[in-house]
Amino acid sequence: DTAVSQTPKYLVTQMGNDKSIKCEQNLGHDTMYWYKQDSKKFLKIMFSYNNKELIINETVPNRFSPKSPDKAHLNLHINSLELGDSAVYFCASSQDFIRGELFFGEGSRLTVL
Amino acid sequence: AQTVTQSQPEMSVQEAETVTLSCTYDTSENNYYLFWYKQPPSRQMILVIRQEAYKQQNATENRFSVNFQKAAKSFSLKISDSQLGDTAMYFCAFMKRLGSGGSNYKLTFGKGTLLTVNP
Repeated sequence: DTAVSQTPKYLVTQMGNDKSIKCEQNLGHDTMYWYKQDSKKFLKIMFSYNNKELIINETVPNRFSPKSPDKAHLNLHINSLELGDSAVYFCASSQDFIRGELFFGEGSRLTVL
Repeated sequence: AQTVTQSQPEMSVQEAETVTLSCTYDTSENNYYLFWYKQPPSRQMILVIRQEAYKQQNATENRFSVNFQKAAKSFSLKISDSQLGDTAMYFCAFMKRLGSGGSNYKLTFGKGTLLTVNP
């Protein structure tokens, strides 16, 4: 069983379209994240949710809207896609500060043409 | 703001030799965690090793060990007996709690070091 799963793993779309990436974790963790990895491999946090509550929103354009229907799911919806949105998007989850470790999904590669 | 600096964009090592990857960080916090994550070509992010800032003893995991110098804010990773499967991007990461006593926290990554192990 995959601990943190993302779908789709690959997504190719045209500029201006709207797309979603889904994430689910079966680890029972309270906190979930979205990270963006650009073409230079730099990983930057976008959002984090703790038990469905938004905790971190790192100056991400409001075309990006996370949605957490329950603590096991954190989806990412992107409106009006732009070329610069092309990246790998990673979902992750963690239990608490003491244990610290983030568990990552396999990433979703988004290509905007 | 916390920053994590990895000054070596790329490194290479011969199989079976030892290599050290550098990481420095900047923080005014006293309670935090440090991590090294590995990202092989498969893209999966894998935890290599973690260090609690309040522990003086350096963490070790088999062939992987760290040299944690809290005063110098340095956290280097040593890989002994390098193997071909160690070829990957290595990310140093810093985690701090958000707010005092809260259950929320933030993990910030360095820009990574691409390690190539040569046969």
